[in-house]
Amino acid sequence: EVQLVESGGGSVQPGGSLTLSCTASGFTFSAYSMNWVRQAPGKGLEWLAYISSRTNTIYYADSVKGRFTISRDNGKNSLSLEMNSLRVDDTAVYYCAGTWDYWGQGTVVTVSS
Amino acid sequence: QLVLTQSPSASASLGASVKLTCTLSSGHSNKDIAWHQQRPDEAPRFLIKLNGDGSHRKGDGIPDRFSGSSSGTERSLTISSLQSEDEADYYCQTWDNGKVFGGGTRLTVL
Repeated sequence: EVQLVESGGGSVQPGGSLTLSCTASGFTFSAYSMNWVRQAPGKGLEWLAYISSRTNTIYYADSVKGRFTISRDNGKNSLSLEMNSLRVDDTAVYYCAGTWDYWGQGTVVTVSS
Repeated sequence: QLVLTQSPSASASLGASVKLTCTLSSGHSNKDIAWHQQRPDEAPRFLIKLNGDGSHRKGDGIPDRFSGSSSGTERSLTISSLQSEDEADYYCQTWDNGKVFGGGTRLTVL
């Protein structure tokens, strides 16, 4: 069974930092490109970042470019999202996801003073 | 710019069928898209991927009641024999150097 389990969410003040992790199992993680997607309260899905299977291609949404960094460790079947200079409007549920199919259960990030 | 357009809401009766449509912006009729279901307070779930050539791939365990079709820039999801658990938000998604999501359709089962 495919599983993506996110962790690392929590509450942080504006300007702070947080690193999210996603641990994969049940499929060949090293062969899959991966993404981070978020959903603000009551809103739709917003794509944030993409990393190819071998890390040679990375894309970011304009909303997080320069503040967020996506990375992966294929040896540990893990995906990360380092988030810096967090803003109130970064408050959301953050999901790791395959490019077309798999989804994690999400982790909540709250940015508030 | 690649844009996916969905109607904000849809409704249909228990046991009936409903067709949800996602429209690709002009010039992108060859794009593959995926449909995802998000029930209240749950994570999204992959339903089906529709390729521009008409082929498709469904997610693991997705019932036969869910089917998809493509015509030009339209990518449709049809749900037959509607059940109460089908009440959810449905998002279409494509890829353009990043995931592109439609705004979502909220389906109400009457």
